[in-house]
Amino acid sequence: GDSVTQMEGPVTLSEEAFLTINCTYTATGYPSLFWYVQYPGEGLQLLLKATKADDKGSNKGFEATYRKETTSFHLEKGSVQVSDSAVYFCALSPILTGGGNKLTFGTGTQLKVEL
Amino acid sequence: GAGVSQSPRYKVAKRGQDVALRCDPISGHVSLFWYQQALGQGPEFLTYFQNEAQLDKSGLPSDRFFAERPEGSVSTLKIQRTQQEDSAVYLCASKEHPSSYNSPLHFGNGTRLTVT
Repeated sequence: GDSVTQMEGPVTLSEEAFLTINCTYTATGYPSLFWYVQYPGEGLQLLLKATKADDKGSNKGFEATYRKETTSFHLEKGSVQVSDSAVYFCALSPILTGGGNKLTFGTGTQLKVEL
Repeated sequence: GAGVSQSPRYKVAKRGQDVALRCDPISGHVSLFWYQQALGQGPEFLTYFQNEAQLDKSGLPSDRFFAERPEGSVSTLKIQRTQQEDSAVYLCASKEHPSSYNSPLHFGNGTRLTVT
């Protein structure tokens, strides 16, 4: 079945450091890929998405590129802020269900950004 | 505007008790999902409604789990004869347009169920 593998956390960085959170997936066909973020005390929020190979999703300074050849969707940000501290989830949705239904999530990566 | 609302926020149940978890989706949202999130894990799909129709219940872990959305708005997830392994955060999410990639999934803050 479909699966998503994320790097384990917590990841601790200093403010303004470069961030990479690795995500690889296993799926049949060409799934859509997502990054969700969960800030402390809040619900999951969509951060960015990509629906086909070589697409780049971006939002709030975060980027991720859909790499079909390596089945990866790594999350990057050039300069993190304390306010980026949260848990980040990589997820996929099979293309046939359309529109991000029935997401399969990774286990989440906690990011802590310190001054 | 109002987001997805879930109640109660926390629920403690003794093993063997029945529980009911409520989800109020965003008004007008056609799609509604339930996910289960165990501690330290990502959410796992339980079931999906489109309006009042339950189109997919493949993720429900046993016949003790039952979900309904009788009028196509509020949904209830019921767990009968709770077991310790049912302890988790139960997340509800809604989506305005079922088949649009540009229609985001909105999650509630979840109900944390602890079975003692």
